[in-house]
Amino acid sequence: EQLVQSGGEIRKPGESLKISCEGSGYNFMTFWITWVRHMPGRGLEWMGIIYPGDSDVDSDVRYSPAFQGQVTISVDKSIRTAYLHWSSLKSSDSAMYYCARFSPAYAMDLWGQGTPVIVSS
Amino acid sequence: EIVLTQSPATLSVSLGERATLSCRASQGIGTSLAWIQQKPGQTPRLLIYGASTRATGIPARFSGGGSGTEFTLTISNLQSEDFAVYYCQHSHNWPPYSFGPGTRLEIK
Repeated sequence: EQLVQSGGEIRKPGESLKISCEGSGYNFMTFWITWVRHMPGRGLEWMGIIYPGDSDVDSDVRYSPAFQGQVTISVDKSIRTAYLHWSSLKSSDSAMYYCARFSPAYAMDLWGQGTPVIVSS
Repeated sequence: EIVLTQSPATLSVSLGERATLSCRASQGIGTSLAWIQQKPGQTPRLLIYGASTRATGIPARFSGGGSGTEFTLTISNLQSEDFAVYYCQHSHNWPPYSFGPGTRLEIK
């Protein structure tokens, strides 16, 4: 069982970015995936969560109010991958981003290795 | 939105001693609380869920307790590898499933 995230990114303010989180070794469709931000010198911040689902209906996505409208969480079930997308980055988006699996006991029991994002002109 | 507060912000404890970390919720959350450990430069790791159940592979020296609004994480017989930042995180009435600000556990 593992979550493997895409590599580190360096972008300029205003650019778009999509980072990924691929699940393997378990039934990806039936576990919620959450995204967590960790800014330098700060604590962990819960961004949002998505349930891929094993039917053809749209996945269920929920956002923290602090991140609603700032990022988009999506999933491609065919390749067992969740995404975190920014349409216009800000320097304040510079951080480490983790994906994590939510177990049936409502705990983040499996974590990706993290994707560092640097936004700088 | 449920807010979690943690105390103390920093805790200095000697090797082999016991550390007790606290987490308070702004409203009752039953036992929908987890404890997560993060060492510098490492991925966070789940220690405790459901307020008191140890995650797979977590040593018995880690124990969690509490319900409602008051929770504790106790680490007995502190080892060098236990010095890290500890976060509590709730999973009650989402979103968001927020984290507390963290407690930094240091070697005294």
